[in-house]
Amino acid sequence: DAKTTQPPSMDCAEGRAANLPCNHSTISGNEYVYWYRQIHSQGPQYIIHGLKNNETNEMASLIITEDRKSSTLILPHATLRDTAVYYCIVRVAWGEAGTALIFGKGTTLSVSS
Amino acid sequence: DTGVSQDPRHKITKRGQNVTFRCDPISEHNRLYWYRQTLGQGPEFLTYFQNEAQLEKSRLLSNRFSAERPKGSFSTLEIQRTEQGDSAMYLCASSVEGGRGGYEQYFGPGTRLTVT
Repeated sequence: DAKTTQPPSMDCAEGRAANLPCNHSTISGNEYVYWYRQIHSQGPQYIIHGLKNNETNEMASLIITEDRKSSTLILPHATLRDTAVYYCIVRVAWGEAGTALIFGKGTTLSVSS
Repeated sequence: DTGVSQDPRHKITKRGQNVTFRCDPISEHNRLYWYRQTLGQGPEFLTYFQNEAQLEKSRLLSNRFSAERPKGSFSTLEIQRTEQGDSAMYLCASSVEGGRGGYEQYFGPGTRLTVT
């Protein structure tokens, strides 16, 4: 699986957009980009995933560059409850190479009022 | 709430003792995973079940660890002869076949193990 690089920490003011970058310059054509987050003392939570196109759901938007070497997770209006560790994970399709999610250290996002 | 549940939430044990954790996945999910997370690190994969079959094990799962899912529903993770290095959060996750590219996993709250 492709290695990802994320900044260790970011700050965001409440109500503003939080833009979390992820670099995955060695991504292969059949690898998806997944984002999870982990709020303190809870298990990780799935946010969104994508292959090539930008994706949006009720939680966030995922912007993948045309060359797919990087992506940005956007929380459009961050709240205090969005304070968490955000993990960017790159994986091939299910069954092609194991079943595990491979977590790095992620980005700790701190949202303040 | 029909999310993934884990029991106990906290366990303190003395080195050398055996411990067993339980995970109840979301009822219709046939896939179940165990992960371990130490302080400051992301979760690390331990093992995977599809229904009752244990199909994948990480090399982190030493011979002191054993996991079962006897009827394809709940799962147990047992650690024998615990060591201080086993102190960690043990996370269980479940997913349904075919969901969201295969990797939308629903995690439980975890069991925090402290070995003294």
